[in-house]
Amino acid sequence: GDSVTQMEGPVTLSEEAFLTINCTYTATGYPSLFWYVQYPGEGLQLLLKATKADDKGSNKGFEATYRKETTSFHLEKGSVQVSDSAVYFCALSDPGGNTPLVFGKGTRLSVIA
Amino acid sequence: EAQVTQNPRYLITVTGKKLTVTCSQNMNHEYMSWYRQDPGLGLRQIYYSMNVEVTDKGDVPEGYKVSRKEKRNFPLILESPSPNQTSLYFCASSTSHRANYGYTFGSGTRLTVV
Repeated sequence: GDSVTQMEGPVTLSEEAFLTINCTYTATGYPSLFWYVQYPGEGLQLLLKATKADDKGSNKGFEATYRKETTSFHLEKGSVQVSDSAVYFCALSDPGGNTPLVFGKGTRLSVIA
Repeated sequence: EAQVTQNPRYLITVTGKKLTVTCSQNMNHEYMSWYRQDPGLGLRQIYYSMNVEVTDKGDVPEGYKVSRKEKRNFPLILESPSPNQTSLYFCASSTSHRANYGYTFGSGTRLTVV
């Protein structure tokens, strides 16, 4: 079945460092891909998404590009802030969106001043 | 404000004592779902509902029940809780059952069963 694999955390970075969180997926067809973020004590929030190959999703300085050839959707940010400390989840849905989202296990990011 | 509201936020209970976690959304969403989040396991879906009176099992439905009698509410029922149901629970909703619309999540319910 469909699955998502994320790099294991925790990831600790200094403020203004470059962030990459790797995400690869296994799916039939061309799924839609998502990044969700969970701030401490809160529920998940949709951060960005991409629905077809070569699409780039972006929000709040974060970006991820849908790479069909490498089945990847890596999350990047050029300069992280302390307020970016959270758990990040990569997720996918089937091409028609007819099945529930499949989530990765999450990657905890800590940014220190 | 558009939101998914879960109650309670924290709950400690004893083994075997029935409990209900409520979930309500004010966005007229068709689709609602329950997840549990456990360290090292990520999010796992318990049950979901594509519309009123339509519910389906997710990946880990054992020990849980749900109902969808009205569009806005989707309570999670634990008839006889056990310690292995200690977890962080999230309710989510979406405009459509088509997951590529994205989900709106509640703030979570941390359940401890002793």
